[in-house]
Amino acid sequence: GQNIDQPTEMTATEGAIVQINCTYQTSGFNGLFWYQQHAGEAPTFLSYNVLDGLEEKGRFSSFLSRSKGYSYLLLKELQMKDSASYLCAVRLSGAGSYQLTFGKGTKLSVIP
Amino acid sequence: EAGVTQFPSHSVIEKGQTVTLRCDPISGHDNLYWYRRVMGKEIKFLLHFVKESKQDESGMPNNRFLAERTGGTYSTLKVQPAELEDSGVYFCASRAGGFGLGGELFFGEGSRLTVL
Repeated sequence: GQNIDQPTEMTATEGAIVQINCTYQTSGFNGLFWYQQHAGEAPTFLSYNVLDGLEEKGRFSSFLSRSKGYSYLLLKELQMKDSASYLCAVRLSGAGSYQLTFGKGTKLSVIP
Repeated sequence: EAGVTQFPSHSVIEKGQTVTLRCDPISGHDNLYWYRRVMGKEIKFLLHFVKESKQDESGMPNNRFLAERTGGTYSTLKVQPAELEDSGVYFCASRAGGFGLGGELFFGEGSRLTVL
């Protein structure tokens, strides 16, 4: 089966840096996504990695190591509005149906 | 530009009843997906439409679930008869273009279904 693990909850201080890890064991791999979801709202796209390395986008960066089945999302200069759930999702290779396999999400609480 | 919209936002029904959820994708998006999140679990794929055709329905849990996308615009997901384990949040997502390695899925806010 497919398995994606990420911490259930994390707490960090406003202005700090936080790293949310994601490990995966899947039957295929065609890219890893990070989504942000505020309570009661739609998940919104943050980043996409298909090759090893770091992708930087403003305060958010995402890293991928395919050989280790590992990714992390790095959030810098944390703001209160960053309090949300962060979902790691793997796109499985295959028919190209864009089926994503999600982790359970990491609930991040940013405190003053 | 309007995002992905879903209706209703919350539905409470009794076991054995029927519920129909609706999704309006972003205009022009050929790809439409249904996902579901059961309480305490991860978001799971249900099915994928390309225009009006079902491209992949491998995630549909059983034949009580029927998805349609007549005309290739909005989609409906009908649960009949509903069971307690069907409770959860049903997300719709859409994406432009054909198959590709990248691209962004745009999600709706979800329809919360509670079966009593």
